[in-house]
Amino acid sequence: DIQMTQSPSSLSASVGDRVTITCRASQGISNSLAWYQQKPGKAPKLLLYAASRLESGVPSRFSGSGSGTDYTLTISSLQPEDFATYYCQQYYSTSWTFGQGTKVEIK
Amino acid sequence: QVQLQESGPGLVKPSETLSLTCTVSGGSISSYYWSWIRQPAGKGLEWIGRIYTSGSTNYNPSLKSRVTMSVDTSKNQFSLKLSSVTAADTAVYYCARDFKDVEMATIGAFDIWGQGTMVTVSS
Repeated sequence: DIQMTQSPSSLSASVGDRVTITCRASQGISNSLAWYQQKPGKAPKLLLYAASRLESGVPSRFSGSGSGTDYTLTISSLQPEDFATYYCQQYYSTSWTFGQGTKVEIK
Repeated sequence: QVQLQESGPGLVKPSETLSLTCTVSGGSISSYYWSWIRQPAGKGLEWIGRIYTSGSTNYNPSLKSRVTMSVDTSKNQFSLKLSSVTAADTAVYYCARDFKDVEMATIGAFDIWGQGTMVTVSS
């Protein structure tokens, strides 16, 4: 299996801050990466796929970049509704695997 | 819009078989892959496996020996069976649809999820 490692595991930020979350794969995954947002008690929500393509309806303050083994999710200006846990997921190699999550908390 | 709903027992005894069904509403189950994903309380997400409407499956190697998935297109449902369960299988179980991109190619991300169902393994 391809291992996905996110950093940091948690962070504190204020409304309006720029936030960056990193995801590293144990081998190259050729941009076969998705990002999800999960709020407590809810199912994850797809934000981006193919590392940088925004899912329909997702605000443009979310963006993704990266290549090879290293990828980032950036929230350009954190909004109150963005406080949640974020997961990366690779779909380069079946079986698909997720990162351990990054919890974004209010400072 | 397409919605998914998991159903099944919330309590399963150790060594028995966990059985869940996901009902697809608001659209056809055909021509998509459908996945099961689980999440133990306070932990991350684990992909269990997926099934295509033809019945073709892919399973997580770590669970493959215990997992069986099936699909019933006439009922717009797909199902998960996980045998020989232990406390380690206690989790929220989600069903989800594998995403199709703008070119209608299936990729292994998940764009529609059920609300999740809690399954506890305990005697």
